[in-house]
Parts: sequence; structure tokens; C-alpha cells
Amino acid sequence: DVKVTQSSRYLVKRTGEKVFLECVQDMDHENMFWYRQDPGLGLRLIYFSYDVKMKEKGDIPEGYSVSREKKERFSLILESASTNQTSMYLCASRDTGGDDSEQYFGPGTRLTVT
Amino acid sequence: QKEVEQNSGPLSVPEGAIASLNCTYSDRGSQSFFWYRQYSGKSPELIMFIYSNGDKEDGRFTAQLNKASQYVSLLIRDSQPSDSATYLCAVSRTTDSWGKLQFGAGTQVVVTP
Repeated sequence: DVKVTQSSRYLVKRTGEKVFLECVQDMDHENMFWYRQDPGLGLRLIYFSYDVKMKEKGDIPEGYSVSREKKERFSLILESASTNQTSMYLCASRDTGGDDSEQYFGPGTRLTVT
Repeated sequence: QKEVEQNSGPLSVPEGAIASLNCTYSDRGSQSFFWYRQYSGKSPELIMFIYSNGDKEDGRFTAQLNKASQYVSLLIRDSQPSDSATYLCAVSRTTDSWGKLQFGAGTQVVVTP
């Protein structure tokens, strides 16, 4: 059974803190993604990784960075958390198959920045 | 203009009726189209994908694609209360081959007994 796990379901941080969100997949997938989901805006891609140590910016990378040191783990880093980063963060992974390869999502982390 | 547009709803559907969800997209070169279902407080899960013009059926679900009109739809037949969820339309991006998707904001469906 495919599995994507995220380190926390709920997280509360203060403005200016450095925040780490971790994602682990057990499917040996090459591709991993970080999204944020906000009401009325849908899922927006923050960063993407297509291999270990390889990353690409998504649509809204500002204020975020990522790390992928091992194939199964993809971390999202908020260098200095701000209130506008309060959101639901979703990690996903995908095998490098055809265009129809499914993205599998983790349970999400609801981050509140106060 | 959003790249993938969906009516936000809520779409209220009587139990047993057909729910019809629509999605339009702006990237004419998009090749693959996905429908995800997301229950409240849960993560999205894939219902089905389509990449050829026409209809594709899977159980009570039918996806319809019209690339000329840049339109993809999802029909849910014999709607059940368990179908109450938000349905996300996702479209592949033609600018890369890594499977990145552009998501719509989702349509909330409420099936009433």
C-alpha cells in the first residue's frame, strides 16, 4: 500500500521562526512535490524535486526552500515564518511513468503562524 | 484569468441523481487531465484521469474531454452521500515532462438524502 507521511498534522509557530516540514514516501518515487492549499485558490506548487539533491521552483517559491538529501525524504523549509504562510501544506510523490502517473498525497500539515 | 477554472459550488445534488462538474483550462497544449476527490480535512485522492477526447467511464464516474473547447467534465451517476466532497480538476503542464499539474480551486459537492 502506497504511503506518504508528513511529520506533523498541526503546527503552530511564531513569526520569524524557522520551520521545517518533512515528508517521507515509501514507494521509491523519483518525483516529490510541495503544495500549499488555501480556500478559493486550490493547490499551488511551491517546489518540486525530480531526484536526490535536484529541485525546481514551483509557482510560489518565495519565502520557502527545500532539501532532498535522500530519495524518500523531501523537506520544506520556511526560513522566517510569516503570517501569510499560514496554510495547509501538502506533500505528494509520483513515479516517473507516463503522463498519467498518479500523484499520491500525504495527510497534510496545517500550519498556523502567529 | 486562472489557468484551470472550476465553479466553486456548493453543488447540491439529490441522492441518486447525476452530479455534473465542469472544468476549463487555458493551456491548449495540456495532454493529461485528472480528477481528484478531497474529503473535508483529508488529502486529495485520484478518481480518474483522461487524455483522449471523448468519454471515459469507471464505475459511477465518467470523465469527458473536449480539447478543442479546452473543457473537461466529471459526471457522478447515482450520487451517494459518500460522494459529498470537493472535486479537484488537475491539468498537466506542457512546459515540462515531470508530471507537474495545475490544479483548479475545486467544486464542492453536497449530496442530500
